[in-house]
Amino acid sequence: GAVVSQHPSWVICKSGTSVKIECRSLDFQATTMFWYRQFPKQSLMLMATSNEGSKATYEQGVEKDKFLINHASLTLSTLTVTSAHPEDSSFYICSAREEAGGLQETQYFGPGTRLLVL
Amino acid sequence: GDSVTQMEGPVTLSEEAFLTINCTYTATGYPSLFWYVQYPGEGLQLLLKATKADDKGSNKGFEATYRKETTSFHLEKGSVQVSDSAVYFCALRGGSRLTFGEGTQLTVNP
Repeated sequence: GAVVSQHPSWVICKSGTSVKIECRSLDFQATTMFWYRQFPKQSLMLMATSNEGSKATYEQGVEKDKFLINHASLTLSTLTVTSAHPEDSSFYICSAREEAGGLQETQYFGPGTRLLVL
Repeated sequence: GDSVTQMEGPVTLSEEAFLTINCTYTATGYPSLFWYVQYPGEGLQLLLKATKADDKGSNKGFEATYRKETTSFHLEKGSVQVSDSAVYFCALRGGSRLTFGEGTQLTVNP
């Protein structure tokens, strides 16, 4: 199947700093990528939908100025957590949709990035 | 709106036992249905999918059948292994986004 990578896999930072997480689709082009947040032992919460060449669509309650998303190419989307605070510590997972048309589209997930803000 | 309800966990089984994880959904139209698996510390991996009623998705010994009449997509495996220990997520896609269930933790003991 298609592969989605994330970098870094984990990061520890000081409160107030910004952290950038990259998400790449390695063997397919993805016009749409998704960013999720997962708290321990909970399901995935969709934060935003990223469309190549346009502004991301954020879910209700997600601060767009805090979680900056850029989808500059068909294989790369980035999430920047600005001025991170301890409550931003979480597991962030990206996903990319393989555009095969109609019902055959499949969404593939990256391995996740664990962020710890001290 | 769309929703997915999964059987509450955690589920603990002995190796070679039969597994069923129930999943029911609420959606308008005809969604595609998925099972994803998440191993400790990792992201989600697509396990299987079904795109229309009566379709059966299967992979690695796991199966699930899209039952429109009961709005269900139960996951089954005839003989689980220790390596199947993970969290399993049922999901549906009715439009452009996936809706996930809460996840079911499965632990298989030797």
